[in-house]
Order: sequence, then C-alpha cells, then structure tokens
Amino acid sequence: DGGITQSPKYLFRKEGQNVTLSCEQNLNHDAMYWYRQDPGQGLRLIYYSQIVNDFQKGDIAEGYSVSREKKESFPLTVTSAQKNPTAFYLCASKKQGAGTGELFFGEGSRLTVL
Amino acid sequence: GEDVEQSLFLSVREGDSSVINCTYTDSSSTYLYWYKQEPGAGLQLLTYIFSNMDMKQDQRLTVLLNKKDKHLSLRIADTQTGDSAIYFCAEREEDSSYKLIFGSGTRLLVRP
Repeated sequence: DGGITQSPKYLFRKEGQNVTLSCEQNLNHDAMYWYRQDPGQGLRLIYYSQIVNDFQKGDIAEGYSVSREKKESFPLTVTSAQKNPTAFYLCASKKQGAGTGELFFGEGSRLTVL
Repeated sequence: GEDVEQSLFLSVREGDSSVINCTYTDSSSTYLYWYKQEPGAGLQLLTYIFSNMDMKQDQRLTVLLNKKDKHLSLRIADTQTGDSAIYFCAEREEDSSYKLIFGSGTRLLVRP
C-alpha cells in the first residue's frame, strides 16, 4: 500500500547530540514537508521541499537541517543548536502544483531530550 | 501573515451534534481543509471545501463556509466516542508553494 513511513516512532536524545528523523514515501509525490507539533500550538512548518535537490525554510527552521537527494526521502536532522527539541514531528507529502492540495501525513516521531 | 484560529476544546454528549469553528485570514485561499488527529498518530484528511462552495456534506460531516466573514465550521452529526480526537482546520496559501497553514486544533471530547 502507498503511504508515508516515519521512523523511529520514539527517540530519546541527550543534550548536545544531533538526531536524524527518517521520512519515506512511495506515493510518487514531488512535495514533502516537516511539521513540529507542540501541545496547544498546532502544527508549525519547519522545512519543505517541492522537488528533488531543493528545499525551503519554513517558519521555525532554526536548529534543523534537511536534505532531498531522492524523491522518496526527506530526512530531518535536529541539531544541538535547537534549544527546545522535545516535540512530536510530522512528515507529510502531496502532489505538486494546485489541484486539491491534500497533504498525506506519516504517523509521527516523538523526540524527547533527556 | 496568514493565521488560522480555533477554539481549543469542545465537550459534547454521545449522540449530540458537534460544531467546531475556525476563522482564517487569507481571502485568496481556494481550498480549506479539516483534518482529524487521534492520540499519538498523524493527521488524516476528513474533508475539504472549495472556496466557491457554501456547504459540503459527506455522511455525518457538514462543512459550512462563510467567505465574507472568513469563517469555516465542521458539524459532526450523531457524535460517537470514536470521534474524540483533535480536529485541525487549514487554509492553503495560493503562492507557488501551496503550503497549508494549520490552526492550533480543537480537542473534541465525547462523553458517554
């Protein structure tokens, strides 16, 4: 079945460590997104990519990095520069261009900094 | 910039109707969406409405759009305990990114 797979589902990190969250999709979508979710704050956009080898900063990109070397993959690295990284991270994808613009989401990765 | 606002919490009795409200700011949005999130999971699209429509009905779900007031609502008829979740409203930016801007989510609690 087509879908988006995020891993790991749960991740613990010590302060000062970088961690990478994986996001893979087999929907043949061009555009991919990373959102951060904190309680009561909804979803905030970290980075997005509309095509391979290209990506743009979202509203809260500081302390994060991404790459888009393959259409199917859009990994997110949470660096030690991110001061408050404990959160629920959601990856999404959609067809490029207009159309109905529906976003398809993965099941999320919960990062906890100890 | 664009902003989407929702109330944070709604509690209803099983079998009653639920109405979740949302206001948005971008009058050029052509699509508006309702997503559902169950605990510890990703978001699932419930329904969307095109901006030239006033209403869209899909089984127990009814979406009402008031473009003049930039107000969107989701009505769930005969609310069940399985409807307990967080509901997000979203608008689409009409630049080349077509990004979605989400509200903070409304937590719906259905009491038996």
